[in-house]
Amino acid sequence: SYVLTQPPSVSVAPGQTATITCGGDNIGSRSVHWYQQKPGQAPVLVVHDDTDRPSGIPERFSGSNSDSTATLTISRVDPGDEADYYCQVRDGGRGYVFGAGTVLSVL
Amino acid sequence: QAQLVQSGGELKKPGASVNVSCEASGYSFTFYGINWVRQAPGQGLEWMGWISAHNGDTNYAQEFQDRLTVTTDTATKTVYMELRNLRSDDTAVYYCARSGRTSGTTRPFEYWGQGTPVTVAS
Repeated sequence: SYVLTQPPSVSVAPGQTATITCGGDNIGSRSVHWYQQKPGQAPVLVVHDDTDRPSGIPERFSGSNSDSTATLTISRVDPGDEADYYCQVRDGGRGYVFGAGTVLSVL
Repeated sequence: QAQLVQSGGELKKPGASVNVSCEASGYSFTFYGINWVRQAPGQGLEWMGWISAHNGDTNYAQEFQDRLTVTTDTATKTVYMELRNLRSDDTAVYYCARSGRTSGTTRPFEYWGQGTPVTVAS
């Protein structure tokens, strides 16, 4: 089955830019979605189809996808962005697969 | 605004079955599909399966093929997830989430239920 690799944790100072990667074999040929999950809450979609933002998601959240790495970028990070972030793709007929998740800490 | 509301928490013994429901509102039910995703304590998200609310087609993750059944009731706009032969490592929060209605959909999970905690313990 298809494997997505995320760093376990990323730390960033408030106001700086956080970059969370999601690696996979030729992931650039797939549509990647990103979710934010805060403790005790259901996940929230923050970027879909590599680069698109759902309504209500701040422009500070952006995505890219090329070759073997997809990236979620959060600019001007604030403490409210502290959460777990998961990437997701479709694995053909096998359904969907999630990355293991990245904990974003705002120092 | 689309909304998914799940049934309440469950406590089950090993070997039992659990049924979790997910009631949809605020959108055209049969235009979409519903997925089930679980999250064990302190762990990541695990996709379990999908059903089309349009025609009842299903797709299950390999590891759940023999224990999972997902059904839909279009009259009540409710999707049901049954997991059988429960083990202690099935203890998790179970979420329903909306995506596309065709079997090959790559649509993201735009809306999620609030989650249903299921505890399996003797």
